[in-house]
Amino acid sequence: KQEVTQIPAALSVPEGENLVLNCSFTDSAIYNLQWFRQDPGKGLTSLLLIQSSQREQTSGRLNASLDKSSGRSTLYIAASQPGDSATYLCAVRGPNAGKSTFGDGTTLTVKP
Amino acid sequence: EAQVTQNPRYLITVTGKKLTVTCSQNMNHEYMSWYRQDPGLGLRQIYYSMNVEVTDKGDVPEGYKVSRKEKRNFPLILESPSPNQTSLYFCASSSYSGGLTDTQYFGPGTRLTVL
Repeated sequence: KQEVTQIPAALSVPEGENLVLNCSFTDSAIYNLQWFRQDPGKGLTSLLLIQSSQREQTSGRLNASLDKSSGRSTLYIAASQPGDSATYLCAVRGPNAGKSTFGDGTTLTVKP
Repeated sequence: EAQVTQNPRYLITVTGKKLTVTCSQNMNHEYMSWYRQDPGLGLRQIYYSMNVEVTDKGDVPEGYKVSRKEKRNFPLILESPSPNQTSLYFCASSSYSGGLTDTQYFGPGTRLTVL
């Protein structure tokens, strides 16, 4: 059974700092890995999707990498802003295309 | 506008009273899923569907039923709800083409309380 772990569980940084969120998974037979953002009491907003054949994806200040062989992904946030404060979730798709497993998330607080 | 809609958004019910939470997507996606989110347990997949009439269990299917009679709709049925099914429920959909699954799009969530 796939297990997804996110470290740290919580992170507090001053505005402007660059930061890295980590996601690890136990089964490398994946279709893709997706990073989401969730604001308190809200739904999930997709940030980045990395297919299993890809190594990284970038969108604005966000960069996500995938190392399937080691079962790890990182989400890099550059020049953090208070508006980035939210819970960040990673989700792994596999071993079949319908199955999806989420990590417990990292709650990020960016202080002005 | 491309979207996943869920109804109702909030529901308070009593133990044993059958209920259905509807989910609809307008993106012609093949894949649809139901998740529940609980404090300390994260998001867990209940059921998923690969296309019309094709469904499979996720990690926590006990106490739930689903059906996929139309491509756009994927209702979640609780035939005899119990208090431990009190949770925040999300529906999601994604496309599948050429062996690749694309971004999962999530609905706004349904907050269910079973008394």
